[in-house]
Amino acid sequence: SQQGEEDPQALSIQEGENATMNCSYKTSINNLQWYRQNSGRGLVHLILIRSNEREKHSGRLRVTLDTSKKSSSLLITASRAADTASYFCATQGANNLFFGTGTRLTVIP
Amino acid sequence: DAGVIQSPRHEVTEMGQEVTLRCKPISGHNSLFWYRQTMMRGLELLIYFNNNVPIDDSGMPEDRFSAKMPNASFSTLKIQPSEPRDSAVYFCASSRDFGGTEAFFGQGTRLTVV
Repeated sequence: SQQGEEDPQALSIQEGENATMNCSYKTSINNLQWYRQNSGRGLVHLILIRSNEREKHSGRLRVTLDTSKKSSSLLITASRAADTASYFCATQGANNLFFGTGTRLTVIP
Repeated sequence: DAGVIQSPRHEVTEMGQEVTLRCKPISGHNSLFWYRQTMMRGLELLIYFNNNVPIDDSGMPEDRFSAKMPNASFSTLKIQPSEPRDSAVYFCASSRDFGGTEAFFGQGTRLTVV
């Protein structure tokens, strides 16, 4: 990808379990964002964390950012079947918004 | 607001033909992005506009690709001539500013070049 990688590429869990996805990037950033994409649809913004923040919460989502390691993680707690989708991190720099390779999450009812 | 509107939703064209994809950003947004999504390459940023001015087009793959934003409410991405390897889903996204706000995506245009 233009900016970074995500792992795992695919994740399958049971409903109610937590899901953790990781994102690594290459260059300095202003902020990092997470998006969700359902099959055949556009991306939907989930959460934004600025470069001077280390952790952020929104509902069942928890995002961490470690700028020294150029990495971020997205935790979805108490997963639901409706969380099944692809999740992307995106890094925003001076003149760009680059997306990672994505993690395909499947939540089994 | 209806969100970011892209047209057409699907386009099938023959190799060598010109293709024009259209995007209407959300009113009041001054940043606009064009992306291409394929299984092999993922989401690639093609070009970014701010206040209708192209800021970074380093992601545009070849001279066959061009993008314009004649006003704040309309942008086009043109491929001329099209090739089978251009087949992909093309997304347009807009954001209120570039200081650190979320991007809103359209539903995409699925382009198939045969």
